[in-house]
Amino acid sequence: GAVVSQHPSRVICKSGTSVKIECRSLDFQATTMFWYRQFPKQSLMLMATSNEGSKATYEQGVEKDKFLINHASLTLSTLTVTSAHPEDSSFYICSAGRGVTGELFFGEGSRLTVL
Amino acid sequence: DAKTTQPPSMDCAEGRAANLPCNHSTISGNEYVYWYRQIHSQGPQYIIHGLKNNETNEMASLIITEDRKSSTLILPHATLRDTAVYYCIVRFTSGTYKYIFGTGTRLKVLA
Repeated sequence: GAVVSQHPSRVICKSGTSVKIECRSLDFQATTMFWYRQFPKQSLMLMATSNEGSKATYEQGVEKDKFLINHASLTLSTLTVTSAHPEDSSFYICSAGRGVTGELFFGEGSRLTVL
Repeated sequence: DAKTTQPPSMDCAEGRAANLPCNHSTISGNEYVYWYRQIHSQGPQYIIHGLKNNETNEMASLIITEDRKSSTLILPHATLRDTAVYYCIVRFTSGTYKYIFGTGTRLKVLA
């Protein structure tokens, strides 16, 4: 099956710093990628839709200036958590849609801990 | 927008069939039903999807009612490794076909 890879899988940072998470589709081109966050024992919450070569579309309540998304190529999207605070600690998951039916493949997730 | 409802949790004995229901009563004619599962601290894993007809693959079977308002995911012989949260998703087809996750069903397979 298709593979989507995220890096890093775990990151710990100090409050006030910025953290970048990469999402790559390894064996297919993804014009659309999605970013989710997940708190413990909760479901995945869609944060934004990332389209190659254009601005991301953010879900209601998600701060676009805090969560910067860049989709510069058909195989790479990045999420940057700017000026991170402890409440930003979460599990961040990316996904990429493939083909006409848009079947979604998910990365392994990145666990962010802000001290 | 179509939404899904699932029971929050289920138990199943190892080796028995696990039947996970999902209601999607407001689904529209061109929306697919997808099933994913998430094992602790991993990204969701694709299981199966369907539109109208029942579907089967090496992992599971998907039974969709004739009116398409509900579906059932069947794991024919559950193993301990099938313990996970199972999500039923109706895929929106407007714009960028984003996937919205509901609360899912936490399946525990018991030895």
